[in-house]
Amino acid sequence: QKEVEQNSGPLSVPEGAIASLNCTYSDRGSQSFFWYRQYSGKSPELIMFIYSNGDKEDGRFTAQLNKASQYVSLLIRDSQPSDSATYLCAVGMYSGGGADGLTFGKGTHLIIQP
Amino acid sequence: GAVVSQHPSRVICKSGTSVKIECRSLDFQATTMFWYRQFPKKSLMLMATSNEGSKATYEQGVEKDKFLINHASLTLSTLTVTSAHPEDSSFYICSASVLAGGGEQYFGPGTRLTVT
Repeated sequence: QKEVEQNSGPLSVPEGAIASLNCTYSDRGSQSFFWYRQYSGKSPELIMFIYSNGDKEDGRFTAQLNKASQYVSLLIRDSQPSDSATYLCAVGMYSGGGADGLTFGKGTHLIIQP
Repeated sequence: GAVVSQHPSRVICKSGTSVKIECRSLDFQATTMFWYRQFPKKSLMLMATSNEGSKATYEQGVEKDKFLINHASLTLSTLTVTSAHPEDSSFYICSASVLAGGGEQYFGPGTRLTVT
């Protein structure tokens, strides 16, 4: 049984600070890792994806992957109130010939305080 | 890019009837589409994987005769909830995988189904 664990929060961060979101996964064979943002009542929106160990930066977002520790994180710099949402960590197996369904964590509710 | 549409966005139906939900990739081709279900305050649960031109692969515990999936083209997959019951009320979301991508999935806006 593949599992993805996240702290449900809420995680409260002052505006302008760095928000740090964490995720662990159980399947060592996982190859693809994703962060989605979901606003209440809406579908998930892809924020970042990462496949290799290390850091990947895109604007205010940095994804970090440590396969040895089975750990993924998302850093949001200069947090804005519009960043307030639920952040879903998702893990998948990309076989090269196509994609597999993702296993999602339950999400971390992030609140950016003005 | 990578826009996925879903129709309808919201549907209310009576118990025992069937409902069809369409999922379209608008600006890319998707050999694989996925159907997820999300209950309130819960995470997304994968229901099935839909491959163009072949039978869908269902996750354990998902009834294939109840949730009929058809992936007729590289841009369209449909989910039909047959003989719907109140417990089928949920938020159904499809996603599509970019053909030449690395496995990233883009989600449609979702369909909120209420069975009365």
